[in-house]
Amino acid sequence: AQTVTQSQPEMSVQEAETVTLSCTYDTSESDYYLFWYKQPPSRQMILVIRQEAYKQQNATENRFSVNFQKAAKSFSLKISDSQLGDAAMYFCAYRSARGAQKLVFGQGTRLTINP
Amino acid sequence: NAGVTQTPKFRILKIGQSMTLQCTQDMNHNYMYWYRQDPGMGLKLIYYSVGAGITDKGEVPNGYNVSRSTTEDFPLRLELAAPSQTSVYFCASSYTIPTGGNEQFFGPGTRLTVL
Repeated sequence: AQTVTQSQPEMSVQEAETVTLSCTYDTSESDYYLFWYKQPPSRQMILVIRQEAYKQQNATENRFSVNFQKAAKSFSLKISDSQLGDAAMYFCAYRSARGAQKLVFGQGTRLTINP
Repeated sequence: NAGVTQTPKFRILKIGQSMTLQCTQDMNHNYMYWYRQDPGMGLKLIYYSVGAGITDKGEVPNGYNVSRSTTEDFPLRLELAAPSQTSVYFCASSYTIPTGGNEQFFGPGTRLTVL
């Protein structure tokens, strides 16, 4: 079974600075997808960014980018120019490319933005 | 489109009571999922469905039942509620495309407390 580990329960950053959230995963599959979800206090799960394992290029969405290291099974999220609205829980998730598209989540990292 | 809707938003149950959590999506997605999120943790899959009439167990199915009679609806039934079922429940849906990697859309969640 696949597992996802987020080793940082909490992180904090000054507004306008850059922060990196870590995620590692374990799988024997070669084809899969990785995701970062944001969960603000409203509890709504919001997709931040997605990475296909077959792509070597790291995904980027505006101020959010990932560092995908397939051999190391590492998938970190970098947030540049942090804003107060980025404060939330962030979850890393894994999904096999086969089967019913079930997501496996990490434990989450709580990100605090200091003004 | 309303997306994925869940009712109720909050509920308190007594030990041994039963209830049904409702989930409806209006995006014509064939895949639907139920997750639970315990305090300070990531989401864990309870049950999922790949289409009307087809359901299967996820990681933590004990104490729950589901049915999928239509594409739109995927109710989750709790029989004989126990304190261990105190959690936030999320319903999600997604569609399938040949290249995969499609996003799961989440409902706003139901906070359930069993006393």
